[in-house]
This record gives sequence, C-alpha cells and structure tokens, in this order.
Amino acid sequence: AQSVTQLDSQVPVFEEAPVELRCNYSSSVSVYLFWYVQYPNQGLQLLLKYLSGSTLVKGINGFEAEFNKSQTSFHLRKPSVHISDTAEYFCAVSDDAGGTSYGKLTFGQGTILTVHP
Amino acid sequence: DTEVTQTPKHLVMGMTNKKSLKCEQHMGHRAMYWYKQKAKKPPELMFVYSYEKLSINESVPSRFSPECPNSSLLNLHLHALQPEDSALYLCASSPRLAGNTDTQYFGPGTRLTVL
Repeated sequence: AQSVTQLDSQVPVFEEAPVELRCNYSSSVSVYLFWYVQYPNQGLQLLLKYLSGSTLVKGINGFEAEFNKSQTSFHLRKPSVHISDTAEYFCAVSDDAGGTSYGKLTFGQGTILTVHP
Repeated sequence: DTEVTQTPKHLVMGMTNKKSLKCEQHMGHRAMYWYKQKAKKPPELMFVYSYEKLSINESVPSRFSPECPNSSLLNLHLHALQPEDSALYLCASSPRLAGNTDTQYFGPGTRLTVL
C-alpha cells in the first residue's frame, strides 16, 4: 500500500521569500507523484507531476519539485513567493500496482501556505 | 475545452430529500471520479468509473448512488443523507491511459450542506 506524509501542516512565509513544502511517500512499487494546489472554496489544480525521466520537474506558477528516490521524497519549491500563492497544497501518489489500484490517488494531509506582505 | 464542470455549486438539502450532483467533461477522458472532501482534510476517493463502468467503490454507503450515462457525464444521486455527509464533493476525470500515469483533472466542486 502507498502512503504520503506532508511534514508541515502550515508554512508561513513573507512575500518574495523562498519556500519548500515537504512530501515523503512510501510504496513497494514504482510511483507517480503529483502536487496539487487548492485555493479557498475551489477544486484542485495540478501544479506539476513526476512520471519518469528527469528528477527535477517544473510546473506552473514558478513551482518546481525534485524526485529523490533514495530519500522517498518529492519536495515542492519556489524561489520567490507571492501573496497569490496563499493556498493549500497537496502531495499525491499513485503506484504501478495495476489491476484494481487504477485510479487510486493517495493524498497527503495538505500544507497550508500563507504568504504575508 | 479543458475543464471539468460541476453543478450545482452549492446545495442545501434535508435528510429526507433526493438530489443529484452533476459533473461534465469534454476532454475525451474515459475515467471519471467522485471524491468527498471534509474541511481541512484531503480529498477521499468515493468512486471510479472506467469506460463508463464502475471500477472502484470505496465502501461508500448506499445513500450515495453514482451513475455514468455516457463518457462525458457523471452523476451522484443522493438520498437520505446525514448531516455528517456535508462536505465539498469533487469530480475529476483522466484520460485512462495504460498503467497509473494518468493525471486527474478536478472540477470546482459542489458544496453540500445536509440539515
């Protein structure tokens, strides 16, 4: 079975500061990793994903993440945040177990990023 | 068209009512999903439809009844709900590629309140 741990439930930062949101996963098979953002009272929007290939993945809104297989991590980073980045961020994993696991996306508990002026 | 739409945006219903949530996509995706999200929690998978057939039911109570009339449309019929069923209900769709590399695209959700 797969699981996802987001190590920080809340991350406050000042505008234009860098930020890192941490995500660790566990799975016994190959994994596919996703970061989603959810603004208040809205659905989830895909920021970026890792399926294979280069371990550094670039996404929308200036975000990037690095897949580290040895540390089973997929941390999300942005070099300079804006007020508009204030939202909840979810890390999610699906694995290659196949069969009846198709469609099972396991989410972490979420990290609320608050950007202060 | 690259979005998933959901109607209504908000729904208030009594415990004896019958109502339906609707989800639509025109991206040619062949997998569709229902999730339930309680406040300050991640989404929880309820149902998965793959090629219009129910492939996953995560032990959801029978008062929730999904329906996939065609490849673009997904409904969730609600009957005799409890106040604890109040939540944001999210619909998602994905292309249904081989393996589990699919990316799920989410709609804006329906905010359901059960009185």
